[in-house]
Amino acid sequence: DAKTTQPPSMDCAEGRAANLPCNHSTISGNEYVYWYRQIHSQGPQYIIHGLKNNETNEMASLIITEDRKSSTLILPHATLRDTAVYYCIVRETQGGSEKLVFGKGTKLTVNP
Amino acid sequence: DTGVSQNPRHKITKRGQNVTFRCDPISEHNRLYWYRQTLGQGPEFLTYFQNEAQLEKSRLLSDRFSAERPKGSFSTLEIQRTEQGDSAMYLCASSSYGVAYEQYFGPGTRLTVT
Repeated sequence: DAKTTQPPSMDCAEGRAANLPCNHSTISGNEYVYWYRQIHSQGPQYIIHGLKNNETNEMASLIITEDRKSSTLILPHATLRDTAVYYCIVRETQGGSEKLVFGKGTKLTVNP
Repeated sequence: DTGVSQNPRHKITKRGQNVTFRCDPISEHNRLYWYRQTLGQGPEFLTYFQNEAQLEKSRLLSDRFSAERPKGSFSTLEIQRTEQGDSAMYLCASSSYGVAYEQYFGPGTRLTVT
């Protein structure tokens, strides 16, 4: 079972920041938080991951709370092409299973 | 195109028939994964290979399902005696050793069992 909880859907205006929350209250010390997204009719796409520090790359920023029980994915300037289902996943990177356990994710709709 | 490729993209079959799907991972990736996705759900893990060795199998992978990666490159997923409940998108992903967090997914094969 997925170890994360996400809202089923969110809306965002084009050009605005999209903030997608994720709860992972049972996360253990050696588990990372990963975000993937899935645009309609495509395979999932990796976005970003982090352990306890905030992370930023060319696609998004990841903010992890100090207690690591929740995180937020930020798309700073959402475009129509960011409309997708966003999945938050917790996983060990070493010594654990290689699999990704997906929940139902958050369907983000970016409106013009 | 250097991404993960899957063939066929769509397959319609009658119940009871066998089907086989192929996945070609990114060439330098030694890890290969199969997932299944039904409508409205996230992908579910089926199995994973490191090179040619199948290291993990989900309990979802019944004995009608078999996956191979004979030379550590492409992989095949076969479903025998298909059932209507097998209708789903079958996704393949690959990753590199040492960069295991980033799995690159293919476009999937959509199976419809009539």
